[in-house]
Amino acid sequence: ELKVEQNPLFLSMQEGKNYTIYCNYSTTSDRLYWYRQDPGKSLESLFVLLSNGAVKQEGRLMASLDTKARLSTLHITAAVHDLSATYFCAVDRETSGSRLTFGEGTQLTVNP
Amino acid sequence: EPEVTQTPSHQVTQMGQEVILRCVPISNHLYFYWYRQILGQKVEFLVSFYNNEISEKSEIFDDQFSVERPDGSNFTLKIRSTKLEDSAMYFCATNFLGWNEQYFGPGTRLTVT
Repeated sequence: ELKVEQNPLFLSMQEGKNYTIYCNYSTTSDRLYWYRQDPGKSLESLFVLLSNGAVKQEGRLMASLDTKARLSTLHITAAVHDLSATYFCAVDRETSGSRLTFGEGTQLTVNP
Repeated sequence: EPEVTQTPSHQVTQMGQEVILRCVPISNHLYFYWYRQILGQKVEFLVSFYNNEISEKSEIFDDQFSVERPDGSNFTLKIRSTKLEDSAMYFCATNFLGWNEQYFGPGTRLTVT
């Protein structure tokens, strides 16, 4: 059974600080996805990482993938309040139409 | 920008009743999925659908659940006899090739009383 684990599950940080969210998974998949969810809302795609060593950046967020370690990181640089949300990583099994298996989510709160 | 839509946004039903949740996928997408999220928990896969048949289903997707694409546009999830534990947010997702990112709809909040 594919397992996806995130840590931390809860993260409270001050504006301007840096932090990293970790996502470990148990399969050999080369495909990993990061989503953002605001309270009561849907899932917004942030990053799609499709190969070992992939690194993508959008604004203050940067995601990377190490398939050998089965680890992805989501790094937050100089956090701002607008980044407060729950962040999920998800993995699929590299076959067409395969399910996404999600981590538990990291609830991020950025305090002024 | 094309998006996945879902109706209704909120459905309240009594235990034992049937509900149908509807999704309109992005028009050229071929793969369709249902997920659910119990309040405060992670997103769980229910079922995937391609070429008018179920591709994969989870252990949650038991005989009480069914999916279909009755008219070539709507993709529906039916729960035949709802239970209290079916209360959750249900998300439809779609993608074109089946291996790239899935696009999620806004969700239907189902409350079973």
